[in-house]
Amino acid sequence: DAKTTQPPSMDCAEGRAANLPCNHSTISGNEYVYWYRQIHSQGPQYIIHGLKNNETNEMASLIITEDRKSSTLILPHATLRDTAVYYCIVRVGLHGQNFVFGPGTRLSVLP
Amino acid sequence: EPEVTQTPSHQVTQMGQEVILRCVPISNHLYFYWYRQILGQKVEFLVSFYNNEISEKSEIFDDQFSVERPDGSNFTLKIRSTKLEDSAMYFCASSEAGLGEQYFGPGTRLTVT
Repeated sequence: DAKTTQPPSMDCAEGRAANLPCNHSTISGNEYVYWYRQIHSQGPQYIIHGLKNNETNEMASLIITEDRKSSTLILPHATLRDTAVYYCIVRVGLHGQNFVFGPGTRLSVLP
Repeated sequence: EPEVTQTPSHQVTQMGQEVILRCVPISNHLYFYWYRQILGQKVEFLVSFYNNEISEKSEIFDDQFSVERPDGSNFTLKIRSTKLEDSAMYFCASSEAGLGEQYFGPGTRLTVT
């Protein structure tokens, strides 16, 4: 699976959009971009995933560049409860394949 | 909304003892996984399970570990003879056939003394 690079930490003001970047320059054609987050020591929580088109759900939006070498997770109106470690993972979109978690980005939403 | 559940939430055991961690995956899911996270470190994959057999396992998942789906709802991780370094949060996850995303349980904190 392709490697990803994320900033180790970011701050965001409550109510503002949080934009979390991820570089995955070695991504291959059949690999998806997945985003998870982990609040404290809770289980990782699935957020969103995409292949090449931008995606939006009730939690977030995922913007993937045309060359697919990078992506941005957008939390449109961050709240204090969005404070967590966010993981960008690139992986083939097959069932049964494990996820390889990196260190992620620690997002702090500030009041 | 359906979710993965795990029991117990915290397990304390003495070194050398056997432990069984239990998980109830989401009911229509067919793929099951165990991950662990040592305090302050990354989430690490242990094993995946499908159709009553292990489909993939990591180097961590040695002969001391085993998994089982004893009935139609439970998925268990057994550690035969626990070591101090087995102390970690253990997360169970499941996924639906044909889809990539996995849904994680809240975890079991295992403390080996």
